[in-house]
Amino acid sequence: KAGVTQTPRYLIKTRGQQVTLSCSPISGHRSVSWYQQTPGQGLQFLFEYFSETQRNKGNFPGRFSGRQFSNSRSEMNVSTLELGDSALYLCASSSRLAGKDTQYFGPGTRLTVL
Amino acid sequence: AQSVTQPDIHITVSEGASLELRCNYSYGATPYLFWYVQSPGQGLQLLLKYFSGDTLVQGIKGFEAEFKRSQSSFNLRKPSVHWSDAAEYFCAVSGGATNKLIFGTGTLLAVQP
Repeated sequence: KAGVTQTPRYLIKTRGQQVTLSCSPISGHRSVSWYQQTPGQGLQFLFEYFSETQRNKGNFPGRFSGRQFSNSRSEMNVSTLELGDSALYLCASSSRLAGKDTQYFGPGTRLTVL
Repeated sequence: AQSVTQPDIHITVSEGASLELRCNYSYGATPYLFWYVQSPGQGLQLLLKYFSGDTLVQGIKGFEAEFKRSQSSFNLRKPSVHWSDAAEYFCAVSGGATNKLIFGTGTLLAVQP
């Protein structure tokens, strides 16, 4: 099976712009989670989607949003970009909603905000 | 509060030497535990996981980990390190009705020739 794919791999934006990142989960996986990785804060959970519904949300401002489509593909959007949003954004997919499941990560999207 | 602690930020070992990376967790419910590895500029690769049962779990690349409930620990071990093992290692915990992973701050492993 193909792994989790994320597009684009690299992105450069300026402050105030918005950005959309895409994630295609492993075939058959219905749960998609997003994480932000920065040197200062480490790996932090953004949100989780299952069957097009947001099931859990981390402690991020409303500028961070996401959605999931009927084919389980997911997008996350960040509006009004700030310098501190520069990070590696990782997407993970798993086959079930419950915690007793294994998440498989994509290669990430490196976002740089200038 | 739920948390994962990796006390060692950076570890250097010689190639062929044994390795142990420490991980302690604090989690109210039954914990599900994971170790991931990340090479520079890459995503996270799953090394191994523990849900229940045998407390010694085997993973890929010759890694193993032991769950010790009494010590709230899930340490990662490898008997003989290879230069290709140089990377950053993350311990994580989840549980309950969510897939949310709580990560430790990571341990950066350097391997000396």
